[in-house]
Amino acid sequence: QQQVKQSPQSLIVQKGGISIINCAYENTAFDYFPWYQQFPGKGPALLIAIRPDVSEKKEGRFTISFNKSAKQFSLHIMDSQPGDSATYFCAASRGGADGLTFGKGTHLIIQP
Amino acid sequence: NAGVTQTPKFRILKIGQSMTLQCTQDMNHNYMYWYRQDPGMGLKLIYYSVGAGITDKGEVPNGYNVSRSTTEDFPLRLELAAPSQTSVYFCASSYSRQNMNTEAFFGQGTRLTVV
Repeated sequence: QQQVKQSPQSLIVQKGGISIINCAYENTAFDYFPWYQQFPGKGPALLIAIRPDVSEKKEGRFTISFNKSAKQFSLHIMDSQPGDSATYFCAASRGGADGLTFGKGTHLIIQP
Repeated sequence: NAGVTQTPKFRILKIGQSMTLQCTQDMNHNYMYWYRQDPGMGLKLIYYSVGAGITDKGEVPNGYNVSRSTTEDFPLRLELAAPSQTSVYFCASSYSRQNMNTEAFFGQGTRLTVV
């Protein structure tokens, strides 16, 4: 059972455009929703995160939109740059200590 | 500050061999995790630990064992390697359970191939 569904699997965006990655979750016990960025040969690194009592969080060019009733959240990258080319993972955590449940990832390519 | 360090970076094992993937962190984090990453499948939790002497199974623990004798170290043991264990393994640590105030830090990964 996949608890966090992520789409699209891959995405190509022109430089300066908006990149949008979507995730949906099933477990209403999740209370923490981070996005991780991973470059080839590296481990994932936290990009931005949100909790379910907030509908939107913005950090620079990166914005998370959260819809609790629909159990969906998305990452928006404004003014996308070639340096943003990476794999992005959404994730979720519930109230316990047992780590994160990850989506399958989105391979993002920003074309110059 | 090294963060989370994993060794080795690459390893090829023959079916049936055993090995230990090493993970150490210098951030005095209580929580440590092992994930495996398969192409197109995201990361899946193998085992985790909330402190020295305490370990628990994650989503995919079969074929693996862990120990946590110190706060710093969290080795992952493969006893009888199988081709299905070919994957990239990531160790991570966090000060407490992951929430808005506590992020997880990942190592650079160990790429394991079982032939």
